[in-house]
Amino acid sequence: QKEVEQDPGPLSVPEGAIVSLNCTYSNSAFQYFMWYRQYSRKGPELLMYTYSSGNKEDGRFTAQVDKSSKYISLFIRDSQPSDSATYLCAMSVPAGTALIFGKGTTLSVSS
Amino acid sequence: NAGVTQTPKFQVLKTGQSMTLQCAQDMNHNSMYWYRQDPGMGLRLIYYSASEGTTDKGEVPNGYNVSRLNKREFSLRLESAAPSQTSVYFCASSPRGTGDWDYYGYTFGSGTRLTVV
Repeated sequence: QKEVEQDPGPLSVPEGAIVSLNCTYSNSAFQYFMWYRQYSRKGPELLMYTYSSGNKEDGRFTAQVDKSSKYISLFIRDSQPSDSATYLCAMSVPAGTALIFGKGTTLSVSS
Repeated sequence: NAGVTQTPKFQVLKTGQSMTLQCAQDMNHNSMYWYRQDPGMGLRLIYYSASEGTTDKGEVPNGYNVSRLNKREFSLRLESAAPSQTSVYFCASSPRGTGDWDYYGYTFGSGTRLTVV
């Protein structure tokens, strides 16, 4: 079992839809949770960051962490064509070596 | 505000050739990383450098070497390229190690697309 599992999709939604992206993980020691967005032929860029459990909201984006279920989510409200990208979850333990990434979910938002 | 700069952006090598991928960051970050990204495999860590003067192996180090030349620069060398090393290579840096444990994000470069024929 991989440490971080993420459904690669692709996921296709119409403009304005609510999008839910998810990752599961096996290492209960993970404390730092992040979501990166990667546009085609570009490097990933940090979108959301959460420490330990709870929710974090930034504009149309909400990140949730459920440590009891070892499950993290990213919600995108009022999705736009500009949200079309690959979304990667990433996580780490405190003082860990490096971030562990999911394989990414490809999202396409049609107008 | 260049962030992380990778060169070259594209490269085609013949099997057995060698090359060095260059990476430089201007954010005074302590830690630097090399990842490769392959379809269906996600981002896999090749090598990392937690601080100037130190380097360590990641998940897939075979066939690669690295040099942390100074705090800004971290290079990745392929001594004898193989078709299995065809991939997109990303360099990243992080402020990790500065004492700011609350923020751990990476800044990525735009990648090097390498094809080995």
